[in-house]
Amino acid sequence: SSELTQDPAVSVALGQTVRITCQGDSLRTYYASWYQVKPGQAPVLVIYGKNNRPSGIPDRFSGSSSGNTASLTITGAQAEDEADYYCNSRDSSGNYNYVFGTGTKVTVL
Amino acid sequence: QVQLQESDPGLVKPSETLSLTCTVSGGSISSYYWSWIRQPPGKGLEWIGSFYYSGRTNYNPSLKSRVTISLDTSKNQFSLKLSSVTAADTAVYYCARGTPLTGYPSYYFDYWGQGTLVTVSS
Repeated sequence: SSELTQDPAVSVALGQTVRITCQGDSLRTYYASWYQVKPGQAPVLVIYGKNNRPSGIPDRFSGSSSGNTASLTITGAQAEDEADYYCNSRDSSGNYNYVFGTGTKVTVL
Repeated sequence: QVQLQESDPGLVKPSETLSLTCTVSGGSISSYYWSWIRQPPGKGLEWIGSFYYSGRTNYNPSLKSRVTISLDTSKNQFSLKLSSVTAADTAVYYCARGTPLTGYPSYYFDYWGQGTLVTVSS
């Protein structure tokens, strides 16, 4: 399958921890990258590879992977973390084709 | 600092060809996967395709018959052409840079343009 499935929405209390998951067959082979999308703004890369953060991304963002599931964890969520989050990976076709997850809306209460 | 900027075609008529250009500044256009990604209103992100500077292209299978991505290294630009557009192609179109993940056969999108809304309507 070339699909990446995410829960549509999750909520987290301010300062608490939230985990967002991404499931797909291709994740058994390839790492996911994660993107934060806020209304009217371009997507921002927050995690790539095994667990790498680009410069400027707070260390409360972390990534992990097990089997066919990749996870993005926000430890100590802040109000500014409220956004849509998408995973992305190569698909299982063997070509350099990419697929985005279905997206998760994170609400910080 | 690498910056990407999409052109702004605005309105495209049904059945015509959508053409977008992305200008890259602040960095080399070689050794990366230059990509187009879109987001229809109220929907998720969709990868359209990528062009590796060596000339290799990969396209979303669902769009492959209508998509062409090309690179102009002399102008530090890359382009998207999407033919036979319909209302379903209305979206914010982003250009992005794909950077190879060291030691692994994949890449991630580390720089993005601000996005441009393309509306398909008569």
